[in-house]
Amino acid sequence: AQKVTQAQTEISVVEKEDVTLDCVYETRDTTYYLFWYKQPPSGELVFLIRRNSFDEQNEISGRYSWNFQKSTSSFNFTITASQVVDSAVYFCALSVGNQFYFGTGTSLTVIP
Amino acid sequence: NAGVTQTPKFQVLKTGQSMTLQCAQDMNHEYMSWYRQDPGMGLRLIHYSVGAGITDQGEVPNGYNVSRSTTEDFPLRLLSAAPSQTSVYFCASRRIYGYTFGSGTRLTVV
Repeated sequence: AQKVTQAQTEISVVEKEDVTLDCVYETRDTTYYLFWYKQPPSGELVFLIRRNSFDEQNEISGRYSWNFQKSTSSFNFTITASQVVDSAVYFCALSVGNQFYFGTGTSLTVIP
Repeated sequence: NAGVTQTPKFQVLKTGQSMTLQCAQDMNHEYMSWYRQDPGMGLRLIHYSVGAGITDQGEVPNGYNVSRSTTEDFPLRLLSAAPSQTSVYFCASRRIYGYTFGSGTRLTVV
């Protein structure tokens, strides 16, 4: 069975602090994709990153970075120097075949 | 503009009423899917389609019907709405593991 766990339900940080959002996934398939999506208060789902199961290279995009570790089945997301505009719900997701599994989301509040 | 278009954005139904949530994409994606988002539960897959004429059930299909007569359109039908179907519904399309989501439909069943 496939599963995505985001153990952090809510996180609050002060602006300019770094914050890491955790994501742990479960699958027995060797081919899969991992995603992060951002859902701001406006409600739309904004794609942030996709990583396939054969590429464990970490990625950095501006203030965002992702750490993919197959050994621990984790795909963590770090925001450096957080800003108020980062306040949103962040979803980690797993894609296996034609099925797509979301975590329950982490609500991030960045306090000015 | 390329993307996934959902209509309506908001809808209130009475228990027992029927309605169709519309979803259209202009990216020629074969795969389309419907999700519902409920507080504390993330998004859950309702139904999906891998091409015109082909549909299959996801995690929570009960109470919903779908059909796929064209590549562009993938409507979701509620035949007899129930308060448990109060949720935010997202349609998405996918090509080679890149998902694009619509802006969502907020449905309230009273």
